[in-house]
Amino acid sequence: TQLLEQSPQFLSIQEGENLTVYCNSSSVFSSLQWYRQEPGEGPVLLVTVVTGGEVKKLKRLTFQFGDARKDSSLHITAAQPGDTGLYLCAGPAAGTYKYIFGTGTRLKVLA
Amino acid sequence: DAGVIQSPRHEVTEMGQEVTLRCKPISGHDYLFWYRQTMMRGLELLIYFNNNVPIDDSGMPEDRFSAKMPNASFSTLKIQPSEPRDSAVYFCASSPFRGSTYEQYFGPGTRLTVT
Repeated sequence: TQLLEQSPQFLSIQEGENLTVYCNSSSVFSSLQWYRQEPGEGPVLLVTVVTGGEVKKLKRLTFQFGDARKDSSLHITAAQPGDTGLYLCAGPAAGTYKYIFGTGTRLKVLA
Repeated sequence: DAGVIQSPRHEVTEMGQEVTLRCKPISGHDYLFWYRQTMMRGLELLIYFNNNVPIDDSGMPEDRFSAKMPNASFSTLKIQPSEPRDSAVYFCASSPFRGSTYEQYFGPGTRLTVT
């Protein structure tokens, strides 16, 4: 069974700090996605990475897909309170289009 | 575009009652997914449809759960009879197919409480 483990599970930081959250698996994924979920809402897709070593930037967010396509990271520069939320990584189970979601990182940015 | 619409937003019911959750996907999206989210188990895929046809229902926990998609603009998830352990937030998501990946658009969810 393919699993996606995210770390840290919880993170509380001050506004302006930088942070990195991780998504790891022992299995290879053809692609990985990152979502952000705010309380009372559904997850919102932030990015899809498909090539090993790929780096994508979305304003202050930088996403990287590991060379072996088993892991991914999300780096936030100068975090803002609006970045607060649950960050989820997700990828398709091998040979299927069934998406497996990671365990999540709950981020709180304090003003 | 209105996005994915789910109803009701909140449902409180007693054990043994039938519960029906509803979803209207984004027009033009080929795929529809039903997920369940709990603190203990995170976000789990229950079933997904392609062009109204169920493709994989291996995530449906047991026979008490059923899902239908009678047309491209409507889907239901039914639990009969409901049990307290079914309490969770249920999400519907729809997606166009972009070559080798999906871009899932989630609805706001239905928070189900079974007492």
